[in-house]
Amino acid sequence: EVQLQQFGAELVKPGASVKISCKASGYTFTDYNMDWVKQSHGKSLEWIGDINPNYDSTNYNQKFKGKATLTVDKSSSTAYMELRSLTSEDTAVYYCARGGRYDDGYYFDYWGQGTTLTVSS
Amino acid sequence: DIQMTQSPSSLSASLGGKVTITCKASQDINKYIAWYQHKPGKGPRLLIHYTSTLQPGIPSRFSGSGSGRDYSFSISNLEPEDIATYYCLQYDSLFTFGAGTKLELK
Repeated sequence: EVQLQQFGAELVKPGASVKISCKASGYTFTDYNMDWVKQSHGKSLEWIGDINPNYDSTNYNQKFKGKATLTVDKSSSTAYMELRSLTSEDTAVYYCARGGRYDDGYYFDYWGQGTTLTVSS
Repeated sequence: DIQMTQSPSSLSASLGGKVTITCKASQDINKYIAWYQHKPGKGPRLLIHYTSTLQPGIPSRFSGSGSGRDYSFSISNLEPEDIATYYCLQYDSLFTFGAGTKLELK
């Protein structure tokens, strides 16, 4: 069974950085990309970017360049997203999602349960 | 960037009834649209990809159709577990989600 495990919540001060994790299981970690999605309170979903665990290659939504950095640890099948220079605008739920390249395109087929990030002093 | 206009933002329906949600893209997305179900405290669940292809394990009560810029998603024979927020996603050019539709019981 494919599972993406995320920790529930992080509370961080403005100006600081945070590294959110997503541990994958139930499939070969390097066979799929890992994507990240932001959901601000009461709002829709925004794609942040993705990483190919095989090559460590990344793609970012222009909006999140400089804000988010995606990495992986293949030995533990864990993907990470670091967010820097945090402000209240970064308060949101962050999801990891498995990105698969299929005959009918590339889309997200499994999701983590989300990490709630609160930026507050 | 492709914009996705999803409507309605909310709707209420009766058990056993049928609901339809639409998404309109700002340009042709070549049928590259997926639909997700999202419940509080969980990650979104993929229901349909490439306009109308059901993900394995998804009941046939869920369906999708459309082409070009206009797409729709329907749930028939509504069941209590269908209460959730639904999102469309275009994946023709990068990724854009619709604003979501919150489905409630009448």
